[in-house]
Amino acid sequence: DAKTTQPPSMDCAEGRAANLPCNHSTISGNEYVYWYRQIHSQGPQYIIHGLKNNETNEMASLIITEDRKSSTLILPHATLRDTAVYYCIVRISGGYQKVTFGTGTKLQVIP
Amino acid sequence: EPEVTQTPSHQVTQMGQEVILRCVPISNHLYFYWYRQILGQKVEFLVSFYNNEISEKSEIFDDQFSVERPDGSNFTLKIRSTKLEDSAMYFCATNKGLAGGETQYFGPGTRLLVL
Repeated sequence: DAKTTQPPSMDCAEGRAANLPCNHSTISGNEYVYWYRQIHSQGPQYIIHGLKNNETNEMASLIITEDRKSSTLILPHATLRDTAVYYCIVRISGGYQKVTFGTGTKLQVIP
Repeated sequence: EPEVTQTPSHQVTQMGQEVILRCVPISNHLYFYWYRQILGQKVEFLVSFYNNEISEKSEIFDDQFSVERPDGSNFTLKIRSTKLEDSAMYFCATNKGLAGGETQYFGPGTRLLVL
């Protein structure tokens, strides 16, 4: 799996958009970008994933650059409950591929 | 929305004792995993399981660990003789495994404390 680089920490004001960047310059054509988050030692929670098109769901939006070397997870209106560690993970498609977690970005949403 | 569930939520055991951690996967999922997270460290992959056999295991998953799906519903992780360093959160995860079904969904975890 390709390696990802994320800032170790970020702050965001409550109600504002949180934009979390991720670099994955060695991504291969068959690798997806996944985002998970972990709220204080709870189980990792799936947020969103994409291959090359931008994606949106009820939790977030994922913007992937045209060259696919970086992406941004956008939480449109951050709340205090969004305070968590956010993991950007690149992994190939396949039924039983493990998820390899890095250290992620610790997002602190500030009142 | 279907969820992965795990029991117990907390387990305290004495060093050398056996523990069994249980997971109930999402019902139509075919692939099962165990991960662990030592306090303050990354989430680490232990093992993947499909069609009643191990698909992949990490270096951590040595002979003291075993997995099985004894009754077609529960997916269990057994630690045969616990050590102090086995103290961690243990997470079960599952995915459908079919095309488009690669997303893994994680359970809430079991906090294991070995004294």
